[in-house]
Amino acid sequence: KQEVTQIPAALSVPEGENLVLNCSFTDSAIYNLQWFRQDPGKGLTSLLLIQSSQREQTSGRLNASLDKSSGRSTLYIAASQPGDSATYLCVIRDNYGQNFVFGPGTRLSVLP
Amino acid sequence: NAGVMQNPRHLVRRRGQEARLRCSPMKGHSHVYWYRQLPEEGLKFMVYLQKENIIDESGMPKERFSAEFPKEGPSILRIQQVVRGDSAAYFCASSPGQVEAFFGQGTRLTVV
Repeated sequence: KQEVTQIPAALSVPEGENLVLNCSFTDSAIYNLQWFRQDPGKGLTSLLLIQSSQREQTSGRLNASLDKSSGRSTLYIAASQPGDSATYLCVIRDNYGQNFVFGPGTRLSVLP
Repeated sequence: NAGVMQNPRHLVRRRGQEARLRCSPMKGHSHVYWYRQLPEEGLKFMVYLQKENIIDESGMPKERFSAEFPKEGPSILRIQQVVRGDSAAYFCASSPGQVEAFFGQGTRLTVV
């Protein structure tokens, strides 16, 4: 059974810092990995999708990497801004099941 | 192409009433997933449906909860005889297959 963990659980940084959010998964047989952000009381916004054959994806100040062999993905946020404050979720779609497995999230606060 | 539409956004029900949550997937998407997010917790899988079929309902409570995705119309998550513990945000996601998932904004159910 696939399990997804995220470290740290919470992170508070001053504006402008570069930061890394970590995601680990137990079964390397994944179909894809997706990073979402969730704002308080709001829905989920897809940030980046990495297919199992890919190593990384970039969108603006965000870069996500994937290392299936070690069961890890990282989300790199450059030059953080207060608007980046949200919960970031790592979501795995595995080859066995048809659903998505969510990590518990990292709650990010970027202080002005 | 509108995103995944969920309605209502907010729903208040008294204990013992029925709650019906609707999810209209993106155009061309035949896969629908329902997730529940309890206060201060992560998203938990409930059910995965394709048109007219329930593929995986391993996350659905055995009693009072049901889901359908008819040939025409939205997917419905139905909760009978609601209790306070059903208060949560319910999210729907859709995808055209084993690719990127798109989430709705959620329905926030409050049972009073």
